Amino acid sequence: EVQLVQSGAEVKKPGESLKISCKGSGYSFTSYWIGWVRQMPGKGLEWMGIIYPGDSDTRYSPSFQGQVTISADKSISTAYLQWSSLKASDTAMYYCARRRSNDAFDIWGQGTMVTVSS
Amino acid sequence: DIQMTQSPSSLSASVGDRVTITCRASQGISNSLAWYQQKPGKAPKLLLYAASRLESGVPSRFSGSGSGTDYTLTISSLQPEDFATYYCQQYYSTPMYTFGQGTKLEIK
Repeated sequence: EVQLVQSGAEVKKPGESLKISCKGSGYSFTSYWIGWVRQMPGKGLEWMGIIYPGDSDTRYSPSFQGQVTISADKSISTAYLQWSSLKASDTAMYYCARRRSNDAFDIWGQGTMVTVSS
Repeated sequence: DIQMTQSPSSLSASVGDRVTITCRASQGISNSLAWYQQKPGKAPKLLLYAASRLESGVPSRFSGSGSGTDYTLTISSLQPEDFATYYCQQYYSTPMYTFGQGTKLEIK
């Protein structure tokens, strides 16, 4: 079965760092782009950025450039989204999703809820 | 950046109704458009891609059309399980694969 499994919910304080993960299985992880999407509570989907695990080519939405870092470890079929200093406004659900070749995002992770509160 | 304007933002309808949701791009996107369904507490699910191609396993009551900047999602006969939020997304402009703001489909 093709799937993306994300790491569990996190509760952090402002200023802390965090790295969440998205592990792919059932397909060639290095052959598909993986994107990250933010959904703030009660709000819509926001595009954050994308990585190609085969060569770690990474592209960011201008809104998220410099705010987060997207990376991947192809040896363990895992993509990451990380923050160096969290803010309360980072509280959201974060989804990873696989991009089918030159096409839409067909496989989604279950989401990781990040709560940032003092 | 390409902006995606989705309408309406919310819609009330009854089981059996035909509903249409519209998505307009700020510039042409050459049918590089997907539609997703999201239910509360769940990840989005791909319904259609390339504007009109039905994803495997998605019921045929869902259809998509459009070209250039204007696209529509139609549900021909609403079923109880279709009440959800729907999003369009353009994947024409790398790396900004922007979403529409969503349409919440509610039971009348």
